[in-house]
Amino acid sequence: ETGVTQTPRHLVMGMTNKKSLKCEQHLGHNAMYWYKQSAKKPLELMFVYNFKEQTENNSVPSRFSPECPNSSHLFLHLHTLQPEDSALYLCASSQGDGSPNTEAFFGQGTRLTVV
Amino acid sequence: AQTVTQSQPEMSVQEAETVTLSCTYDTSESDYYLFWYKQPPSRQMILVIRQEAYKQQNATENRFSVNFQKAAKSFSLKISDSQLGDAAMYFCAYTNNAGNMLTFGGGTRLMVKP
Repeated sequence: ETGVTQTPRHLVMGMTNKKSLKCEQHLGHNAMYWYKQSAKKPLELMFVYNFKEQTENNSVPSRFSPECPNSSHLFLHLHTLQPEDSALYLCASSQGDGSPNTEAFFGQGTRLTVV
Repeated sequence: AQTVTQSQPEMSVQEAETVTLSCTYDTSESDYYLFWYKQPPSRQMILVIRQEAYKQQNATENRFSVNFQKAAKSFSLKISDSQLGDAAMYFCAYTNNAGNMLTFGGGTRLMVKP
């Protein structure tokens, strides 16, 4: 257990559905990340939040909408996804404030299948 | 933008032997951090070892050690006395000095043969 919790662990959704992924950490970290891990591709950074502000959007399609209401929670809202969006979505957090302790802690991921 | 490259998609090693996983990166920063993460089949990513760029001494954690060549922007991971439990995906990662921009390489799948 790393201290980063993701729910749900598995999600199957239709292309017209709207769903949300949730990530929660109580490590006192200020930076939170969403990554997409596909079978045949490297780990792709999607979004970065620092102190609740989005600091990075790695050219992610608008059908993915992140939300960071506070430093402990991060959401990824999904709507009108495509089958190629099926992947493992990983959330991570790190100190993010210039502290030397910059290790990132990861959740177990949400396995998303779009049908 | 920073990039991290792992040129070996797959590696295999005999149990108890030593294996080295390669990683190169590109950055214009002088201060940064490098990491090796392990992702076993359970898929939870865990930190294996960390290196601060300002430290010349190579990091070591038990059977895991790195060869950090700052000028060459190279950061390889050596696993000694390989064990079956070392079988996993290994990711090299980079972050800036603020620790808020973690970038990963494509990963190397390590197989350990009994």
